[in-house]
Amino acid sequence: NAGVTQTPKFRILKIGQSMTLQCTQDMNHNYMYWYRQDPGMGLKLIYYSVGAGITDKGEVPNGYNVSRSTTEDFPLRLELAAPSQTSVYFCASSYPPDRVHGYTFGSGTRLTVV
Amino acid sequence: AQTVTQSQPEMSVQEAETVTLSCTYDTSESNYYLFWYKQPPSRQMILVIRQEAYKQQNATENRFSVNFQKAAKSFSLKISDSQLGDTAMYFCAFMKPGGIGANSKLTFGKGITLSVRP
Repeated sequence: NAGVTQTPKFRILKIGQSMTLQCTQDMNHNYMYWYRQDPGMGLKLIYYSVGAGITDKGEVPNGYNVSRSTTEDFPLRLELAAPSQTSVYFCASSYPPDRVHGYTFGSGTRLTVV
Repeated sequence: AQTVTQSQPEMSVQEAETVTLSCTYDTSESNYYLFWYKQPPSRQMILVIRQEAYKQQNATENRFSVNFQKAAKSFSLKISDSQLGDTAMYFCAFMKPGGIGANSKLTFGKGITLSVRP
């Protein structure tokens, strides 16, 4: 029972490079989310998905893209990395929000852009 | 839009003692869910406790309990018999049930760092 798996755990990017953060879940959750965590700022929603083929922007989507081709996978794409994208990224999944289960989180990816 | 405020950035408690972490929120909704998440140094986000706003009874999970004051929009977490493993950052979070799209998301406070002293 893996839950939510994120890879990689750490990554250093140079300015202008691109990368994809992988996220997969095995709980058959329809809802999936990407958050970023910055010191003293809590977690901010980047993108979310309510099912395969359906994605939408959260609070801080600029500089990111997502896709959701399957229920299990929800990768986050960074194009033209910038220092402002240095952060810890969390993927999460959940049942529909009419159930008070909260989210299941992955273990996070620490990304540094230099 | 909902907001969650955790005004204390850091707290410290002696092992075996009790500590209360504060959280306030602002919403016009009458039904919602509130959560406390723990983030230890391992970075993993762990659900500690949850509360449904329509339930007047405060939630409890072993050494963790909440004081939910709906009228005051307050949701504090009490940790009894603090243990060294409780050292972590704690986040308060709000969710509107039945929301669609972005309204279904968890809104987090900025977190509080709790240190348990041996």
